[in-house]
Amino acid sequence: SQTIHQWPATLVQPVGSPLSLECTVEGTSNPNLYWYRQAAGRGLQLLFYSVGIGQISSEVPQNLSASRPQDRQFILSSKKLLLSDSGFYLCACITGEAFFGQGTRLTVV
Amino acid sequence: AQSVTQLGSHVSVSEGALVLLRCNYSSSVPPYLFWYVQYPNQGLQLLLKYTTGATLVKGINGFEAEFKKSETSFHLTKPSAHMSDAAEYFCAVSDRMDSSYKLIFGSGTRLLVRP
Repeated sequence: SQTIHQWPATLVQPVGSPLSLECTVEGTSNPNLYWYRQAAGRGLQLLFYSVGIGQISSEVPQNLSASRPQDRQFILSSKKLLLSDSGFYLCACITGEAFFGQGTRLTVV
Repeated sequence: AQSVTQLGSHVSVSEGALVLLRCNYSSSVPPYLFWYVQYPNQGLQLLLKYTTGATLVKGINGFEAEFKKSETSFHLTKPSAHMSDAAEYFCAVSDRMDSSYKLIFGSGTRLLVRP
């Protein structure tokens, strides 16, 4: 089965600073990859998904962007973080069922 | 468009008591339904899923769920709660199972288990 690696596990960043969260996948090729955000007390919101290298679909307008430079690598970025970007970010690979990484808790201060 | 509603953001039960977590869905096509569990500061783990066939689905850790089309429900149950079941549970729906599907999640239900 697939293994999803996310890092870092926790991150504290000041408002206005850049962001780069990385997700890599093992155990499969050409996966569909997803970024979800989980805000405190709320469910999971789908941010981006990718069906292949260089192919990114955005689900909601926001301050973030995503890129897929390699088949098994998915990156979530921001040029300038906002306080509202705080949350728990989860990368997922969906092939019949969803496999999730361990998440990154981002706190913007 | 699909959606999922989980009734009750928090559910509290005594150890040994029945666990019932409610999930209702909306879908214009036959749905694929999932329950996931999340322990603190971790990713989500699949408990069980319904795709086609038998409407009563058994999952890991003694959980099961029943797909009821007439009620558009997929409630999660466990006969006897353990302390280790304390976690957040998410119901999710998808309209397809091929390579491009997306999961739509409910807002989650936090299960508290009292000793």
